[in-house]
Amino acid sequence: DADVTQTPRNRITKTGKRIMLECSQTKGHDRMYWYRQDPGLGLRLIYYSFDVKDINKGEISDGYSVSRQAQAKFSLSLESAIPNQTALYFCATSDPNKFEAFFGQGTRLTVV
Amino acid sequence: AQSVTQLDSHVSVSEGTPVLLRCNYSSSYSPSLFWYVQHPNKGLQLLLKYTSAATLVKGINGFEAEFKKSETSFHLTKPSAHMSDAAEYFCVVSDTTSGTYKYIFGTGTRLKVLA
Repeated sequence: DADVTQTPRNRITKTGKRIMLECSQTKGHDRMYWYRQDPGLGLRLIYYSFDVKDINKGEISDGYSVSRQAQAKFSLSLESAIPNQTALYFCATSDPNKFEAFFGQGTRLTVV
Repeated sequence: AQSVTQLDSHVSVSEGTPVLLRCNYSSSYSPSLFWYVQHPNKGLQLLLKYTSAATLVKGINGFEAEFKKSETSFHLTKPSAHMSDAAEYFCVVSDTTSGTYKYIFGTGTRLKVLA
């Protein structure tokens, strides 16, 4: 099984709809992240969480919200999806001892 | 504040020739630096990391990178390109000394390997 699992892997939704992307990890790390990837822009940080009670905005949090339901679960919501939120979304968790981040396989979201 | 600049958005090399992907960083603290690779329609895989130990870091698949503080660079190299190296590569900086632990990505370099 993958260390970081994202669901769904692909989703097409309509403008104005609410959608939730889910992420779970089995690494046992406290730190979790949500990024979006757009061609030519790399990955940009949306939100990050250092434990269940600690949620922080990243550089592009407008239009998004998150929920940290447990150490292993971190969900990203689009309350009212718009077409420019079409992107590839990645969840990650990081190891504070080894410094590296572990990424999920990504969720490809299309807003029409 | 931290930032990463990948100096080339696209690099093309012939199979069997050396690969050089360039990365410059900016960080107020002692940074940790990483290279990740993304093959088409795949997730992100860690190639190698620098975390204040040896400045020459060896990674998987024959890649290596050298941390040069005076030049604020962390270029990725490989002596001989293989067709399977064709992918997008991301340089990443993380400020692990201040406790923020955010991972800041460069915009990526797409490597094309010609037969």
